[in-house]
Amino acid sequence: GAGVSQSPSNKVTEKGKDVELRCDPISGHTALYWYRQSLGQGLEFLIYFQGNSAPDKSGLPSDRFSAERTGGSVSTLTIQRTQQEDSAVYLCASSSRPSSTDTQYFGPGTRLTVL
Amino acid sequence: GNSVTQMEGPVTLSEEAFLTINCTYTATGYPSLFWYVQYPGEGLQLLLKATKADDKGSNKGFEATYRKETTSFHLEKGSVQVSDSAVYFCALGPTSGTYKYIFGTGTRLKVLA
Repeated sequence: GAGVSQSPSNKVTEKGKDVELRCDPISGHTALYWYRQSLGQGLEFLIYFQGNSAPDKSGLPSDRFSAERTGGSVSTLTIQRTQQEDSAVYLCASSSRPSSTDTQYFGPGTRLTVL
Repeated sequence: GNSVTQMEGPVTLSEEAFLTINCTYTATGYPSLFWYVQYPGEGLQLLLKATKADDKGSNKGFEATYRKETTSFHLEKGSVQVSDSAVYFCALGPTSGTYKYIFGTGTRLKVLA
């Protein structure tokens, strides 16, 4: 079956513009995570979805960042008024259930460059 | 709060050498521990995991043992191959009441023929 997909794979934008990043998880996976990977850094947790609700948004760095998930499937991460420090690879992962032992399956990521 | 400290890279080894990548953690409760690997041009994928103290995770010749007394989860392989060249990430699973996975900064391994 298909893995986690993300689009676009690359996004170049100008400072101050809004961007939307999309994640299609593996079909049937109820748990979905967004991470940010900056150059030389580990993965930084952003938000966790269980179904369509987000019980943990603690990693969103500012109110410019928001995310939603619809139909228990596709998720969109939106960054408003982008800044240069937002440049990073944004990764999405899904797992079949919200268990602390479950394997996360990662997408290929969206590389965001803010000029 | 919970945290993961991972050995800095890059690590360069000759083929058939012994590999250790150190990972230590700080956590409240008893989280699961993971090693993920990112091969060149590919996404992150699970390498192995351990869900409780003294568990040993293993896969593809790699092993790591969940050591509660030393709060460590070091990754080892007895004989590395060129195809093991990748970035390795140690990760801490959520503890009670949280959903957050915490990843280390990654260790790049380069294996020379």
